[in-house]
Amino acid sequence: GDSVTQMEGPVTLSEEAFLTINCTYTATGYPSLFWYVQYPGEGLQLLLKATKADDKGSNKGFEATYRKETTSFHLEKGSVQVSDSAVYFCALSDAASDAGKSTFGDGTTLTVKP
Amino acid sequence: DTAVSQTPKYLVTQMGNDKSIKCEQNLGHDTMYWYKQDSKKFLKIMFSYNNKELIINETVPNRFSPKSPDKAHLNLHINSLELGDSAVYFCASSQEWPGHSSPLHFGNGTRLTVT
Repeated sequence: GDSVTQMEGPVTLSEEAFLTINCTYTATGYPSLFWYVQYPGEGLQLLLKATKADDKGSNKGFEATYRKETTSFHLEKGSVQVSDSAVYFCALSDAASDAGKSTFGDGTTLTVKP
Repeated sequence: DTAVSQTPKYLVTQMGNDKSIKCEQNLGHDTMYWYKQDSKKFLKIMFSYNNKELIINETVPNRFSPKSPDKAHLNLHINSLELGDSAVYFCASSQEWPGHSSPLHFGNGTRLTVT
């Protein structure tokens, strides 16, 4: 079946540091890829997505590029802020697999210190 | 206007009780879901409905029963609650059938604590 492997956390950075959270996947078909963010006490919300190879998703200074050759979708931000502290989930959606249900990574907790 | 709203936000109850969680979405989406998030933040899908029809039914105890009276509502009823049911339950919706490129829209969760 499909799977998503995320970099283990927790990750602690100082404000303005560079962020990378690694995500790799295995999929039966040609999945769409997503990053979701969960702030404390809230539900997950879409951060960005990419639907085909070489697409770059971007939002709020975060970016991720769909790399089919390395089956990766790493999340990056050039300069993090305290307000970016949250749990980040990589996910895929694959119509060819298992009723099409989304597969989520285990989440990476990011803490940004002033 | 809240897109996906679920009630209650907190639910504290004793073992053996029966409880329900309600969910409503005003996005006009056809597909709705229930997810369970444990204390380590792991997310697991439980059920999915498309236009009131059950399409995903994961291996969950049959004490959990979803009900979709219309495509904007998906409720979750839990019988004979157990300690292990303690978790945060999220309702979500999506515009398309599962597996397509439309993202999930999540509610803010119901934190269930069974004592």
